[in-house]
Amino acid sequence: EIVLTQSPGTLSLSPGERATLSCRASQSVSSSYLAWYQQKPGQAPRLLIYGASSRATGIPDRFSGSGSGTDFTLTISRLEPEDFAVYYCQQYGSSPETFGQGTKLEIK
Amino acid sequence: EVQLVESGGGLVQPGGSLRLSCAASGFTFSSYWMSWVRQAPGKGLEWVANIKQDGSEKYYVDSVKGRFTISRDNAKNSLYLQMNSLRAEDTAVYYCARPRGGSYDYWGQGTLVTVSS
Repeated sequence: EIVLTQSPGTLSLSPGERATLSCRASQSVSSSYLAWYQQKPGQAPRLLIYGASSRATGIPDRFSGSGSGTDFTLTISRLEPEDFAVYYCQQYGSSPETFGQGTKLEIK
Repeated sequence: EVQLVESGGGLVQPGGSLRLSCAASGFTFSSYWMSWVRQAPGKGLEWVANIKQDGSEKYYVDSVKGRFTISRDNAKNSLYLQMNSLRAEDTAVYYCARPRGGSYDYWGQGTLVTVSS
């Protein structure tokens, strides 16, 4: 099973700043089958990025994904108030698919 | 508009059973794999099970094998999760989700299952 470790656990930033979230895999993620999700309290997760770097439908271009192998990054170029949430990465290249433990992005 | 609506959650005693349902609409249900993903209170996401379009292939996370059964009825556009021998650690919000090449592009609102005496 591939273990995904997200860092930092909590990130405190202000609106307008740049956010960089990390997801590190215990083994190489095949074909960059890595996704990122945003989850707000009481809501279901929302797909942001799939295939490591492709934005999902309707996702603003301030969200971008990068990386390959074992190291992946989600970048939010300029934080908007609605971006403060918990973010999860998921690998779906190996069975079982697994999720990271999440990074909480909070307002500083 | 794609919609996934779960139902069937509730409070159940350890060792008990529960059947979750997910009603799908707004897309051709029979053309997609479908999955259940759960989230324990205050915790992260965990894939539970998935099922092929025609129900011929089913896969489970190790912790639920032999206790949970995923099924579907394409005529009713519905997905199910039969949960037996429930344990306290099965307490979670259970989401029905539609895979898109492996990632999940649509999720239901979730249904809470609480296993407690």
